Amino acid sequence: GAVVSQHPSRVICKSGTSVKIECRSLDFQATTMFWYRQFPKQSLMLMATSNEGSKATYEQGVEKDKFLINHASLTLSTLTVTSAHPEDSSFYICSASRRLAANEQFFGPGTRLTVL
Amino acid sequence: AQKVTQAQTEISVVEKEDVTLDCVYETRDTTYYLFWYKQPPSGELVFLIRRNSFDEQNEISGRYSWNFQKSTSSFNFTITASQVVDSAVYFCALAIKAAGNKLTFGGGTRVLVKP
Repeated sequence: GAVVSQHPSRVICKSGTSVKIECRSLDFQATTMFWYRQFPKQSLMLMATSNEGSKATYEQGVEKDKFLINHASLTLSTLTVTSAHPEDSSFYICSASRRLAANEQFFGPGTRLTVL
Repeated sequence: AQKVTQAQTEISVVEKEDVTLDCVYETRDTTYYLFWYKQPPSGELVFLIRRNSFDEQNEISGRYSWNFQKSTSSFNFTITASQVVDSAVYFCALAIKAAGNKLTFGGGTRVLVKP
């Protein structure tokens, strides 16, 4: 149980285009979802926290107009990288937690974004 | 603000050696959770352990063991009799209940186990 999927696993896009990444909780209702970014050989950095039905809360330094997060249902959150540039190339990982176990996050397998 | 420090960036050992990964955390909150994750080359994070701030019992799971000491704000991880499959990056992380359980990760320690 507690499986989180991400789609796509890899994406290559041209500079200036937008890319959408989906994060789904497959067998539980995710009241909260988190989005992380990991540059090569670095640690994970939290980008934003989203609760179902409300606006995402972004960490300091993360542009909310560039990284659009939608958490429209209890099983789906999306991250859209708008007008992507090569410096946005990174590994994006989502996680999800349940209402009654908020201290436990289940991680997706990650999405590797390459912007040419 | 909270912080997690993993002083060792990379450790190289020969198979069957023990390896200990250090983790030091900083927080003023009294209710928090500590985690260890393994990240193999595939990139997917593998959960290893969660420990809450009120439980200082050490834990052993197979070849893995953890030593939690609140007095020194440390949560160290030992792999006994290392194997090549243990080669990965290991992250220590901290979640504060009052901050919505957002995870703060340490910088990670890359473990290379040579045959």
